[in-house]
Amino acid sequence: AQKVTQAQTEISVVEKEDVTLDCVYETRDTTYYLFWYKQPPSGELVFLIRRNSFDEQNEISGRYSWNFQKSTSSFNFTITASQVVDSAVYFCALSEVDSSYKLIFGSGTRLLVRP
Amino acid sequence: SAVISQKPSRDICQRGTSLTIQCQVDSQVTMMFWYRQQPGQSLTLIATANQGSEATYESGFVIDKFPISRPNLTFSTLTVSNMSPEDSSIYLCSGERDSSYNEQFFGPGTRLTVL
Repeated sequence: AQKVTQAQTEISVVEKEDVTLDCVYETRDTTYYLFWYKQPPSGELVFLIRRNSFDEQNEISGRYSWNFQKSTSSFNFTITASQVVDSAVYFCALSEVDSSYKLIFGSGTRLLVRP
Repeated sequence: SAVISQKPSRDICQRGTSLTIQCQVDSQVTMMFWYRQQPGQSLTLIATANQGSEATYESGFVIDKFPISRPNLTFSTLTVSNMSPEDSSIYLCSGERDSSYNEQFFGPGTRLTVL
């Protein structure tokens, strides 16, 4: 069965610190996708990244970077030089080809960046 | 990505009543989904809205409680029937343009409070 675990419920950092949000997933499929979404206090879900199971290259986008490791079933998200505007709940999600691409979300990590 | 709008953005309803939430996408999408986010919780898939046929419901959700319509490729409605305080949640609509591309984008959500 598919499952996404975000063990960190809340993280608090001071502005300019680096922070890593952990995501561990379980799936039996060989073809699947992993996602990160940001949910700021306003409530909308903002898409950050999609990674397919055949692409283990790490990705960097500005201050954001993602580390996908199939060997440990992890897809971790790092924010470099965090800013107050990064404060939000971050969700990791999984979708599988065999499940019609339905998104299975982790429980989310609430990130608070203090000035 | 497409733009999704939802109406209403929020509502306060009385126990025993029903509320219909509308979801409009600015371009055709292959798949549409409805999610529920209970207070402080993650997102849970309610159902896949199928165009021209009955929605496909996830375990724990039934058509009598959450009837869904999808008359075309850009519009869907979710009704929350016979509401109780436990139905107080954010209800989010999402769309996916092409299942092979597999990027779900979300509407802003409808924040429902049941008294």
